[in-house]
Amino acid sequence: DAGVIQSPRHEVTEMGQEVTLRCKPISGHNSLFWYRQTMMRGLELLIYFNNNVPIDDSGMPEDRFSAKMPNASFSTLKIQPSEPRDSAVYFCASSFRTGTNYGYTFGSGTRLTVV
Amino acid sequence: SQKIEQNSEALNIQEGKTATLTCNYTNYSPAYLQWYRQDPGRGPVFLLLIRENEKEKRKERLKVTFDTTLKQSLFHITASQPADSATYLCALGGNQGGKLIFGQGTELSVKP
Repeated sequence: DAGVIQSPRHEVTEMGQEVTLRCKPISGHNSLFWYRQTMMRGLELLIYFNNNVPIDDSGMPEDRFSAKMPNASFSTLKIQPSEPRDSAVYFCASSFRTGTNYGYTFGSGTRLTVV
Repeated sequence: SQKIEQNSEALNIQEGKTATLTCNYTNYSPAYLQWYRQDPGRGPVFLLLIRENEKEKRKERLKVTFDTTLKQSLFHITASQPADSATYLCALGGNQGGKLIFGQGTELSVKP
């Protein structure tokens, strides 16, 4: 298995533009998570899905952020409009099940820079 | 509010010694605790999980302890090697659905 695949690896965009980050989880994993990592705040959970259904989006910072999971093999995180404070590394992770003893498998992340 | 604290300062040790990293938490009763390794420019990699009813877990040169009374986990790497140099993250989960809450991480540097 190729692991969790994220694209793009790097994204530089201007303030106000729409940004879409993509994730392909590991086949057979039924939980998917979006995290954001910054030096100041560390790894923050934004939203997670179980069986393609959003379970908890309390970590989404504001309405500019939205996430979808149209099927078991694809998820997107969209920021519209983007702002400089959104600059961070965004990680997608998947797991076989939540609330149990399975570790998460993380992708390599998307480094987003908003100028 | 919930808080997870890991050594904020980098830990520097000599090759062959045992590295010990600490994870303390407050206002939380996790069902399990996990440790991850993160290298620069990469995502975290899962290492070990220990449940609330387990005191100790081992995997090769790694050992994790979990003291729910002290609200603390210790992560040990024995016979450390330069290749063990990385940032190590602890994460708590289990009592908020699927949420896994991460600490800030401790950077470990093993010198030859």
